[in-house]
Amino acid sequence: AQKVTQAQTEISVVEKEDVTLDCVYETRDTTYYLFWYKQPPSGELVFLIRRNSFDEQNEISGRYSWNFQKSTSSFNFTITASQVVDSAVYFCALSGLVGGTSYGKLTFGQGTILTVHP
Amino acid sequence: NAGVTQTPKFQVLKTGQSMTLQCAQDMNHEYMSWYRQDPGMGLRLIHYSVGAGITDQGEVPNGYNVSRSTTEDFPLRLLSAAPSQTSVYFCASSYGSGVPQETQYFGPGTRLLVL
Repeated sequence: AQKVTQAQTEISVVEKEDVTLDCVYETRDTTYYLFWYKQPPSGELVFLIRRNSFDEQNEISGRYSWNFQKSTSSFNFTITASQVVDSAVYFCALSGLVGGTSYGKLTFGQGTILTVHP
Repeated sequence: NAGVTQTPKFQVLKTGQSMTLQCAQDMNHEYMSWYRQDPGMGLRLIHYSVGAGITDQGEVPNGYNVSRSTTEDFPLRLLSAAPSQTSVYFCASSYGSGVPQETQYFGPGTRLLVL
């Protein structure tokens, strides 16, 4: 069985602070994808990043960066110089690959509510 | 492309009523799936489909039926609504096997309240 744990239920920061959202996962699959999605107050789910299990390079996209460490089964997400518009619920998710495909199945963490105060 | 569309946006049902949540995508995606979102529990997979005529159960399938007669549409049926089915429902789609980009794209969601 797969499991994704986001231990931080809620985080509150002041604008311009850096913030890291933690994600720890469990899977028996040897290959898998990891994802982060953002859910703003409007409710839609916005795809942020996909990472393959065989690619442990960290990734940076503007103020966003992701740290994937297979040794600790973690895929953490850092927002640098946070802004009010970053306020949202952030979900980490996992899809295991069987026979080279995930069949479109995702296992989500519980989500972290991020509030950025002006 | 409209992407993934869902109707209705909001629905109120009485216990025991049945209804169908509609989901459609125009990206020729092979895989489609339904999730429900409940506070503190993230999103959980209800049913999924890997192509027309092929469906399977996810983590929380009880009380729901699906069918997939076309590539574009994947409706979710509540057979006899219960208050425990009060939730936000998301439909998602993605390319199928053999394509590297297995990223799920989500519809805007349907908020369901069962009284």
